[in-house]
Order: sequence, then structure tokens, then C-alpha cells
Amino acid sequence: DAGVTQSPTHLIKTRGQHVTLRCSPISGHKSVSWYQQVLGQGPQFIFQYYEKEERGRGNFPDRFSARQFPNYSSELNVNALLLGDSALYLCASSGLAGNSYEQYFGPGTRLTVT
Amino acid sequence: LAKITQPISMDSYEGQEVNITCSHNNIATNDYITWYQQFPSQGPRFIIQGYKTKVTNEVASLFIPADRKSSTLSLPRFSLSDTAVYYCLVGGPHGSSNTGKLIFGQGTTLQVKP
Repeated sequence: DAGVTQSPTHLIKTRGQHVTLRCSPISGHKSVSWYQQVLGQGPQFIFQYYEKEERGRGNFPDRFSARQFPNYSSELNVNALLLGDSALYLCASSGLAGNSYEQYFGPGTRLTVT
Repeated sequence: LAKITQPISMDSYEGQEVNITCSHNNIATNDYITWYQQFPSQGPRFIIQGYKTKVTNEVASLFIPADRKSSTLSLPRFSLSDTAVYYCLVGGPHGSSNTGKLIFGQGTTLQVKP
């Protein structure tokens, strides 16, 4: 069975640009969460979507937005990129069948902003 | 939110049992304790979850004393392939405020003893 997939794996952008990151959850999983992981730190929660609705939002500026599609895949969009947005962006899916603390993470997208 | 304290780093000889203790003094009644493992350049991976006493799976054991103010992750025989960062998470069964939000700290970097 395929795990969580993310694309692209690596990305280099310039300050002020916009970026779109994509995630496909494990088949049958309806919940997708996004995390940002800066080098040397634990992942920080950005968003959670369940059944195409936003269920949770972390402490990130409005430049960060996301959506979930009918097939439960998801996009994370970041506008007006800053150097500090350079990080590993992780997507996680869960079935939310009573235990969403068991989440399955993808390999991440490494974003570098120059 | 429960305040979590775990060692920043630990090292062990290969073949030895490794125990990582996490303190969570103000854990709430409905909070679960969950451990994740993260290898370099990969997303975190769920290891084990428990509420009280002892939980064991094919990867690790989790010991939780009666007061639940701490927990200990035990890896039975440390090997080089276990070199990773280990995160202790505390929260409700459906994540923080039912949003599925996972709150990661800095984690414990576990390495082979030189």
C-alpha cells in the first residue's frame, strides 16, 4: 500500500514568490494535516483538514493557506515567501477513526527560499 | 497543555536496552502519551501510544506509572538503525481540541555511544 506522498521533494524559490505543495493521503484516510519543520526543531502544526473542511489552524500568518479536494488530497500554499519559510514541510494523514494521534507522515517537501 | 520535558540527547551502546523518560507533570485526565521516531530527512513515524501501565508492540515498550506524570519509552536492543530523534507527545485521543493537532517538542536525539 502506498503511504503518504508529497510533491515536489525539493523546491527552491526566491523571496516574494508563491509556492504550492501537494499531498496525497493514504487511501481511505480523510484527514490531512500540514506541519513545518525548521532544522533542529520538532514539527510545528500549520493546518488540519477533514472531509474538505478546516478543523484546526496553528500559529502561522495568513500567507499560509490550504485546501482539501474531494479525493482527500491537499495543497498547502504560501504567498510572499520569506527567508524564514525555508523548512521541511510535512503532510500527515489519519483515518480519524478514534485515534488521530496515530498519524502517518509523508517524506516532506524541502523548501529553500533565497 | 501539558508541559513536556525530555532529554535533548542520549547515547547508547549497540545491543543495550535504551530507556528515554519523558516528564509531563500536568497531564490531563483524558490525555494519552504518544511517541514518534524521526530519521534524518524523513517524516516522523508513530511508534507507540498508551494511557496507563504498560504497552508493548513489536518495536518498543511504553511504561507509564500510576500517577502518569512521566513515561518511559524502552527500546529493547539498540542498534545503529535506531539512531533517530524520539518525540514524546501528550494530548487527547483525538489530538488537541479534537483537531488532530500534534504538538512536538525538540525531542531526544538518540545516537550510538562512541
